[in-house]
Amino acid sequence: GQQLNQSPQSMFIQEGEDVSMNCTSSSIFNTWLWYKQDPGEGPVLLIALYKAGELTSNGRLTAQFGITRKDSFLNISASIPSDVGIYFCAGQLGNTPLVFGKGTRLSVIA
Amino acid sequence: EAQVTQNPRYLITVTGKKLTVTCSQNMNHEYMSWYRQDPGLGLRQIYYSMNVEVTDKGDVPEGYKVSRKEKRNFPLILESPSPNQTSLYFCASSLVGTGVIDTQYFGPGTRLTVL
Repeated sequence: GQQLNQSPQSMFIQEGEDVSMNCTSSSIFNTWLWYKQDPGEGPVLLIALYKAGELTSNGRLTAQFGITRKDSFLNISASIPSDVGIYFCAGQLGNTPLVFGKGTRLSVIA
Repeated sequence: EAQVTQNPRYLITVTGKKLTVTCSQNMNHEYMSWYRQDPGLGLRQIYYSMNVEVTDKGDVPEGYKVSRKEKRNFPLILESPSPNQTSLYFCASSLVGTGVIDTQYFGPGTRLTVL
């Protein structure tokens, strides 16, 4: 099945640093979603993007829907220890099933 | 409280012993889906359902069955589990509106070990 290329696979950062991760696809989507998964939990939606070029914020998180509709990025500003987890991007075209990236594992060093 | 529930949360079983993992949502969502999560592979879709009595294969359907007799329930059935089905399983649901599947809400996960 189709896969998204999500990078980086993992990150170790100092508390207070900014974080950036992205997803790219060989095909276009009309929805991009970003999820966070805490250990032992299911993924929780962070940000949903529905329009090419859209830039949306949720607190310290900012995500953008790439203008080509084939990519998206997520930025986290001023990271804190509770940002630790696995972040997943997901893309969707119409009513077709969501396609997930393999995740970015974020570790924050206090 | 709006939620997706799964049972059991943890299960250890043996090869060949049929099992069912239940999933239920209370948000009146049309769309429901099952995923498995394995290290380094992310989330892979097993089956999905656009509405009652409508189910379709996802990326990795082999060895699994589903049914959607009621809107709120979407059980995952393993008729003859094998060790390669040891994984973390997630159920998810969402609305279907204006031709687009809305954002998905995930259950807490079921960790299955097949010996």
